[in-house]
Amino acid sequence: GESVGLHLPTLSVQEGDNSIINCAYSNSASDYFIWYKQESGKGPQFIIDIRSNMDKRQGQRVTVLLNKTVKHLSLQIAATQPGDSAVYFCAEKENTDKLIFGTGTRLQVFP
Amino acid sequence: GEEVAQTPKHLVRGEGQKAKLYCAPIKGHSYVFWYQQVLKNEFKFLISFQNENVFDETGMPKERFSAKCLPNSPCSLEIQATKLEDSAVYFCASSQWDTDTQYFGPGTRLTVL
Repeated sequence: GESVGLHLPTLSVQEGDNSIINCAYSNSASDYFIWYKQESGKGPQFIIDIRSNMDKRQGQRVTVLLNKTVKHLSLQIAATQPGDSAVYFCAEKENTDKLIFGTGTRLQVFP
Repeated sequence: GEEVAQTPKHLVRGEGQKAKLYCAPIKGHSYVFWYQQVLKNEFKFLISFQNENVFDETGMPKERFSAKCLPNSPCSLEIQATKLEDSAVYFCASSQWDTDTQYFGPGTRLTVL
């Protein structure tokens, strides 16, 4: 079936460096994509979203890039901080508006 | 409220016992979604509601699982006879419109012994 997946299960970066988390999706009909951050023992926290009519969207220290040609989604975090340590999930939205999540990437930030 | 609220935070049941989880969506949100997360991994969609009406139940196990969203009451997810494999964290999310961002609650951790 259709699925959303992640290339790297764990990403380790030094504080202050930029982080890039990648995601591949398979449903070319999906028109809405979201990145969530999940800290231990908490629910997913919305970070940023993007619709399929856009290629790039920027937030505070975060940027999401969408490449529909290769069905690829990425999350860029600028100047990564210890508080950014968490598991990051990409998700796509289907017609019935349920979210299809990827398996998650753990981001570890070292001082 | 301004956050999705879920109760209880933790729930422990013996195999075969009933489990009932509650969710209060953000005030003004018309859509409620339930997801199951096993082993801190992927999220599995269970069911969604538009107000008190089932919107999509394609993820709900046919047996043992049921859910409701009644007016002026928290939404609920009930498992009639729990099994070991039901152990997971159950998340509720709500959104204002069907195309809007889904905001998640803190989850209920269900442990079946």
